[in-house]
Amino acid sequence: GAGVSQSPRYKVAKRGQDVALRCDPISGHVSLFWYQQALGQGPEFLTYFQNEAQLDKSGLPSDRFFAERPEGSVSTLKIQRTQQEDSAVYLCASSLEYRGGYTFGSGTRLTVV
Amino acid sequence: SQQGEEDPQALSIQEGENATMNCSYKTSINNLQWYRQNSGRGLVHLILIRSNEREKHSGRLRVTLDTSKKSSSLLITASRAADTASYFCAVNFGNEKLTFGTGTRLTIIP
Repeated sequence: GAGVSQSPRYKVAKRGQDVALRCDPISGHVSLFWYQQALGQGPEFLTYFQNEAQLDKSGLPSDRFFAERPEGSVSTLKIQRTQQEDSAVYLCASSLEYRGGYTFGSGTRLTVV
Repeated sequence: SQQGEEDPQALSIQEGENATMNCSYKTSINNLQWYRQNSGRGLVHLILIRSNEREKHSGRLRVTLDTSKKSSSLLITASRAADTASYFCAVNFGNEKLTFGTGTRLTIIP
């Protein structure tokens, strides 16, 4: 597609519920990143894929967070047993060039109540 | 922390004036990038400057990099109301990921 597409745009989850956030990167972009952005803060790195391989998941805050990109295109970030501290905007980005600029999606705003 | 840190945290200027934002970091970098984020939206890549470069221009944007001081600045000339946004620097330390700062909130007063 023309840009990075994320869905849903907004998600309200009850505490303890599982959620799945989808990212559709730009076609041909090998690298895909997930970031978490709390209100008033900069994005914090969660995980990185090169094609279908998850090369860095050092930023995932707990084992409740899981990401996959099984065919090297669409990626899903799953959060199990959501907690209030998981409330944030989850941003997906893709990149064509190694160490180059990112193209971000509009993000998914997750609110856990 | 290895984050880029922006200064000031917030900046308000009159339309037509120039806006300058600064970013500092702590260890050697491969490149430094600047992004803009409008309220409630994703980030937009503005400019990338590599560690062996000192200055880059893109339209009304001018970025400088001083690796000896571990700092960068973003200058927006002849500001417009549409420039109102948060601006983030992001540093690449040589691997694939970017580390973002906390941002500067820029408000252009018409």
